[in-house]
This record gives sequence, C-alpha cells and structure tokens, in this order.
Amino acid sequence: GDSVTQMEGPVTLSEEAFLTINCTYTATGYPSLFWYVQYPGEGLQLLLKATKADDKGSNKGFEATYRKETTSFHLEKGSVQVSDSAVYFCALSPYTLSSASKIIFGSGTRLSIRP
Amino acid sequence: DTGVSQDPRHKITKRGQNVTFRCDPISEHNRLYWYRQTLGQGPEFLTYFQNEAQLEKSRLLSDRFSAERPKGSFSTLEIQRTEQGDSAMYLCASSLPGLAGGPTETQYFGPGTRLLVL
Repeated sequence: GDSVTQMEGPVTLSEEAFLTINCTYTATGYPSLFWYVQYPGEGLQLLLKATKADDKGSNKGFEATYRKETTSFHLEKGSVQVSDSAVYFCALSPYTLSSASKIIFGSGTRLSIRP
Repeated sequence: DTGVSQDPRHKITKRGQNVTFRCDPISEHNRLYWYRQTLGQGPEFLTYFQNEAQLEKSRLLSDRFSAERPKGSFSTLEIQRTEQGDSAMYLCASSLPGLAGGPTETQYFGPGTRLLVL
C-alpha cells in the first residue's frame, strides 16, 4: 500500500544552518505531497504542498520539490531559526476522482535549533 | 474563519468507560476527517465524512469506535469500553471539495483531543 518514509530524528542544528529532511514515498498513480509542521503545544499546520511532478512547494523559507523519478519530496531551508524547532511530517494523499482522500503520514522528524 | 475546534482538549478516563469527542469544522467545509496519533508517530486515518455520509472507514476503526455527523456540521467520535491502547491524540480535519479529478484538497487540522486511558 501507499506509504511515506522520512528521516528519523531528532535533528539538532545551530541557528542559520542549512536544513534537509529526507522524505521518500511509495504510491500508485499521482499522489499529492505535503509537509506538515507541529509546533510544541499546537496542532498540525500545513507547511507546503505539491500536487504534480516537478512542482515546488514553498513557504516561510522552506522548499520541497516533487520528484517522481526518485519518489522523493525532501524538505530544505537555507538558514534555520530557533523558531523552526518543531516536528515535521512528510505526507501524501492518493489521487482520487473525487479530490477527497485520506492523508498518509510519515513518522515525523523532530527538529531542534540551538541559538 | 475560526478554524477547526475540538472538545475536550484533554480526557482522562478509566479502562472500560465510554468517551465521546466533538469536532466543529470550519464553516462551509463539507468534508470532515478523523485521525489518531500515538506518541512518536504520524497521524493515522480513521474515517471521513462528506456532509452527513460516512464514506470511508479504516480497519483501525474497531467495533468499539463510532463516528457520526448527523447534520453535516459537527462530528462526534465515541469510543466504547476504552482500553489502554486507545490512549492517543485524536485529530479532526476539515476541507472544502476541490475539482473532481483535480488534486486533493487541503485539509485543515484542529488542535486534537488527547486521551489517556488508565
């Protein structure tokens, strides 16, 4: 079945460091791909998404490109801040004719940024 | 747009008791999803409604679980005869339908209800 595998954490970086969190997926057809973020004590928030091959999602300095040839959707940020400390979830939603679909999440990567 | 709300935010119960959670979606969102998230894991899909119709249920949703959305607005999730393995965060999400055949619509998540079964 469809699944998402993401880099295990925790990941600890210094402020202004470059961030990559790897994510690969297994799915039939053309899923939509997402990165969600969960800040301490808060609910899940959509960070960015991409709905077709070669699309780049971006938000708040984070980027991820939908790579169908490598079935990957790696999250990157050029210069992280302490406020980026959170748990990051890579996820996919299988394509359906109705546009409604459950989201399948990876297990999450905890990111901690040192000042 | 006040966001998805869930009530209660925390629930502690004893094994064998019944619990009920409520989710209020963003107004005009006719799709509503329930997920369960255990510690250190990503959320797992439980069930989904379009208006008042429950259109899909996961195998995770055992006979002790029942979800309703009677008027196509708020939804309730009931767990009967709770077990310690039911301890988790229960998340609700809502969405507006996208174009048929188009990309999956964006789901907006509530803050969750954290359940602890003693």
